[in-house]
Amino acid sequence: ETGVTQTPRHLVMGMTNKKSLKCEQHLGHNAMYWYKQSAKKPLELMFVYNFKEQTENNSVPSRFSPECPNSSHLFLHLHTLQPEDSALYLCASSQEGGRVGSNQPQHFGDGTRLSIL
Amino acid sequence: GENVEQHPSTLSVQEGDSAVIKCTYSDSASNYFPWYKQELGKRPQLIIDIRSNVGEKKDQRIAVTLNKTAKHFSLHITETQPEDSAVYFCAASNDYKLSFGAGTTVTVRA
Repeated sequence: ETGVTQTPRHLVMGMTNKKSLKCEQHLGHNAMYWYKQSAKKPLELMFVYNFKEQTENNSVPSRFSPECPNSSHLFLHLHTLQPEDSALYLCASSQEGGRVGSNQPQHFGDGTRLSIL
Repeated sequence: GENVEQHPSTLSVQEGDSAVIKCTYSDSASNYFPWYKQELGKRPQLIIDIRSNVGEKKDQRIAVTLNKTAKHFSLHITETQPEDSAVYFCAASNDYKLSFGAGTTVTVRA
């Protein structure tokens, strides 16, 4: 399945670096999400975009900066990260977000495995 | 906010036996309950979901039950096979977002 594509698959960066994660969906969906997945913990929702507008920022530190130029693309810009930010970052999409989309299936990408040195 | 608890955290079953994973949620307004399967190094994939107006749903060897009064839902896998080995996540939807359980690592022994 190539509905949601994330690049890169793996990223190693120092704490002072700036990098970006990219997500692209080919499903015609209007909502896109960033999640953080750490070992033995529930998936943590970070950001939600619905029709290109950010509708949720789940108290995420400002060193993570999302960007959604259109309904098919989502970026996560990273700057001055901490070792505890090492995790798998998953992108997902659904037909719609918000209250209407709250009971719609979300389709995930393969994730970016991020390691902070 | 919504709090979803999932048990057990690990489950080992003999091939051919059944596996049951249970989740509880805190917000009675939650109305959508998907289950995801994540194989090692792969993306979470939706395997079955249920909405609050339904008590049970089945798809081949997989079934999900929902008890709204008790605020818990369960995943049942019958006739387990080695390819069922994975991490399974439950989730509950409350208003705008999904809240996930911590996951259950299922190992099917040949």
